[in-house]
Amino acid sequence: AQSVTQLDSHVSVSEGTPVLLRCNYSSSYSPSLFWYVQHPNKGLQLLLKYTSAATLVKGINGFEAEFKKSETSFHLTKPSAHMSDAAEYFCVVSDGSSNTGKLIFGQGTTLQVKP
Amino acid sequence: ETGVTQTPRHLVMGMTNKKSLKCEQHLGHNAMYWYKQSAKKPLELMFVYSLEERVENNSVPSRFSPECPNSSHLFLHLHTLQPEDSALYLCASSQDMGGYPGNTIYFGEGSWLTVV
Repeated sequence: AQSVTQLDSHVSVSEGTPVLLRCNYSSSYSPSLFWYVQHPNKGLQLLLKYTSAATLVKGINGFEAEFKKSETSFHLTKPSAHMSDAAEYFCVVSDGSSNTGKLIFGQGTTLQVKP
Repeated sequence: ETGVTQTPRHLVMGMTNKKSLKCEQHLGHNAMYWYKQSAKKPLELMFVYSLEERVENNSVPSRFSPECPNSSHLFLHLHTLQPEDSALYLCASSQDMGGYPGNTIYFGEGSWLTVV
């Protein structure tokens, strides 16, 4: 069975400092992994995705994530936080065993950015 | 702008009302989805449609009734809902079904539903 765990429910950083949002997954298949962001009162926006090509994935707004199979991790990072990065972030694994493309969502991490 | 549009963005309805949520995608995708997002809970997949045919129904109560008249449109018909059904309902689409690499799901901005 597939699962995904976001290790922090809430992360607080100062503007201009690095961001690290942690995600671990469990999968019996070669997973597809995604990070989505949800700003207040908005839908989910795709930040980046890993689909078995390069292990370091670059996304929008300066975010990137590294797929580490040995650690079953897919942590999201950004070198310098901006106030506009404050949002909810979801780590997601696609159930490769399912023919319906079912997504398994983590519980979400709220990123707070302080001035 | 993801190419997936949902209306209305906000809806307040009584428990005896009948209302519908609408979703439209102009991405040429063949698969469409309804998700429910409640406070403090992970997103829940409700329904999956592929080429206008329902292929998954995740034990959703019958007071939620989906309809997919064509590959670009998806509706969620609501009838005699309960207050605990208040949530954000997200529509999404992808090129096809299937968890193969690269099959990315794109979400709309959601419809906030409040049942009073």
